[in-house]
Amino acid sequence: ETGVTQTPRHLVMGMTNKKSLKCEQHLGHNAMYWYKQSAKKPLELMFVYNFKEQTENNSVPSRFSPECPNSSHLFLHLHTLQPEDSALYLCASSQGLEGANGNTIYFGEGSWLTVV
Amino acid sequence: AQKVTQAQTEISVVEKEDVTLDCVYETRDTTYYLFWYKQPPSGELVFLIRRNSFDEQNEISGRYSWNFQKSTSSFNFTITASQVVDSAVYFCAICFNKFYFGSGTKLNVKP
Repeated sequence: ETGVTQTPRHLVMGMTNKKSLKCEQHLGHNAMYWYKQSAKKPLELMFVYNFKEQTENNSVPSRFSPECPNSSHLFLHLHTLQPEDSALYLCASSQGLEGANGNTIYFGEGSWLTVV
Repeated sequence: AQKVTQAQTEISVVEKEDVTLDCVYETRDTTYYLFWYKQPPSGELVFLIRRNSFDEQNEISGRYSWNFQKSTSSFNFTITASQVVDSAVYFCAICFNKFYFGSGTKLNVKP
């Protein structure tokens, strides 16, 4: 059983839709992350939150809007996406920020997003 | 510049064969951490191991073993007596100020 849960596991949305991905971690961690994994491309870090404050945004288009109400929950709000945004979106968490002492990042099962 | 190179894009073996997944990393930091993750078809990246740069002792966990060689900047992963359930994409990663993942090696274990 994973300590990081993501919902929904699968999502199909039109380009004009608004939807949200949800992530919850049960590990007592302080840092949470959104990663994007496209076919045949490396994992891309999108956003980093530490103690619910955003510490990193890797030039992600504004059609992706993260929200972190507390250290255990992370959302990714989606609107007016493009077909090329279809990918696996992975949420992750760690005890401290990844760069501090090489803290292990634990991942959720991911949300498979298809934009039609 | 690539921080982690996994040169093997895809490997196919028959069940019970041993298989080694290669990982070569690059960093100028003396303190860093190396990781392996397994990603089955379901999607989740499952943490397998974390090593720090000061601990070159090889590690064995059941059928899994890891060979850390600082001299060649490599952190290879061997699965002994592979099983169909080992079929997955395996990612190597390095962390010195942030995480850098390799592009992954897809392992197919055939019955």
